[in-house]
Amino acid sequence: GAGVSQSPRYKVAKRGQDVALRCDPISGHVSLFWYQQALGQGPEFLTYFQNEAQLDKSGLPSDRFFAERPEGSVSTLKIQRTQQEDSAVYLCASSFPGLANEQFFGPGTRLTVL
Amino acid sequence: KQEVTQIPAALSVPEGENLVLNCSFTDSAIYNLQWFRQDPGKGLTSLLLIQSSQREQTSGRLNASLDKSSGRSTLYIAASQPGDSATYLCAVRDTGNQFYFGTGTSLTVIP
Repeated sequence: GAGVSQSPRYKVAKRGQDVALRCDPISGHVSLFWYQQALGQGPEFLTYFQNEAQLDKSGLPSDRFFAERPEGSVSTLKIQRTQQEDSAVYLCASSFPGLANEQFFGPGTRLTVL
Repeated sequence: KQEVTQIPAALSVPEGENLVLNCSFTDSAIYNLQWFRQDPGKGLTSLLLIQSSQREQTSGRLNASLDKSSGRSTLYIAASQPGDSATYLCAVRDTGNQFYFGTGTSLTVIP
C-alpha cells in the first residue's frame, strides 16, 4: 500500500481481556517500530523489528505485551489481560534502512480499557 | 537514557507570523533528528529529517536546524497559516535503533 496502515483504528476492551493490534508497513520496509502514546505525551518506544527479527523489546512495559512479525512484513502487538493503564494510542512506524532511515507512521490504534 | 524536551508546550500566534519551536536533547551521540506534526486523532507526519552530520534542512516554509554539540534543534515556520495548527514533535534517534520523542509543542495559528 501507499502508507502504513493499522487496524483496528479504535478498540474498547474490558479490563482483563486480550487484544491484538495489527500493523501493515510500507511494502519493502525492513524496519518496523511500535510506540505507545499516552494522552498529551510524546510517543514512547516499545519494540523494534528488522525483518522478522525482534532486535529490541526493551520498551515493552510488562510481560503482558508481546509483539511478532513472523514473515517480516505485517506485525501484531498483543496485550494480554489488559489494564486501565494500557489505554493509549499505539503507533506503528516503518522505515527502509539507508542513509535517511526516515520513519513513516500509521494512523494509530486508540485503545480504551474500561 | 536520552531525554528530549520541547519548549514551549503551547504557542498561539496570529496568521502570518514567523515562529520558532525548540527541541533539546541530553545526549549528543545521535544518529539523526526528525520533526513531525500530529493532527488531533491522527498519526505522525514527517516534516524534516536531519542527519547528525548536517546543520539544517529546508522544505517550503519550514527550516530545521541542528546543533548536535549543544543538544539543540529548532524548527522555524515562516509566514504561519491556520493550516499549520497542530502538535509538533521532535524525535531523536540514538546510535542504536531507539527513537526518543519530546512531548510536543501545540501550535495554534489564529486567522
